[in-house]
Amino acid sequence: QQQVRQSPQSLTVWEGETAILNCSYEDSTFNYFPWYQQFPGEGPALLISIRSVSDKKEDGRFTIFFNKREKKLSLHITDSQPGDSATYFCAANTGYQNFYFGKGTSLTVIP
Amino acid sequence: GPKVLQIPSHQIIDMGQMVTLNCDPVSNHLYFYWYKQILGQQMEFLVNFYNGKVMEKSKLFKDQFSVERPDGSYFTLKIQPTALEDSAVYFCASSLQVSNERLFFGHGTKLSVL
Repeated sequence: QQQVRQSPQSLTVWEGETAILNCSYEDSTFNYFPWYQQFPGEGPALLISIRSVSDKKEDGRFTIFFNKREKKLSLHITDSQPGDSATYFCAANTGYQNFYFGKGTSLTVIP
Repeated sequence: GPKVLQIPSHQIIDMGQMVTLNCDPVSNHLYFYWYKQILGQQMEFLVNFYNGKVMEKSKLFKDQFSVERPDGSYFTLKIQPTALEDSAVYFCASSLQVSNERLFFGHGTKLSVL
């Protein structure tokens, strides 16, 4: 059973638009949700994260919205830039060792 | 920022051979991880390692897999013998602590088993 699901698999937006990437999870004990950004040929890098005690986390153009009751979260990228084109992974853990990753959303921002 | 280095970036071997993937984690980090990523798929957790011991491993961490970090040198993933389904990109990661802690990933080693 896949613990973390992401949608859509791929997303294309125009420069300046808002990209919305979705994530849902199974295990209600998950309490930490990082989003990682991965460019081709590189390892994932932490972009932004949220803990389950919060319902929103903002960092510049990147915002996470978290709905604990529905076990869903989303990453909003406002004023999307071509440099944001990458694969975005939602991850989750319980505070112990193992992080579960989703399959990722491939974002393309067209100039 | 802190860097995790992985050597080599690409390894091609014949099925049945042994392979060792090397990782140089961030210098003051204490927890080390291996993840496996098949093209277009999510990263799958393999194993984590702390204080010289495996703390947790997944069902993907087959008996043919082993990890070690002798004397604070490279954190290694050894596969012996390799199988075709081991072809993937293997990412090493490290973290300072374990609980809700940021993972720092290397660029990955692409393993091609022929």
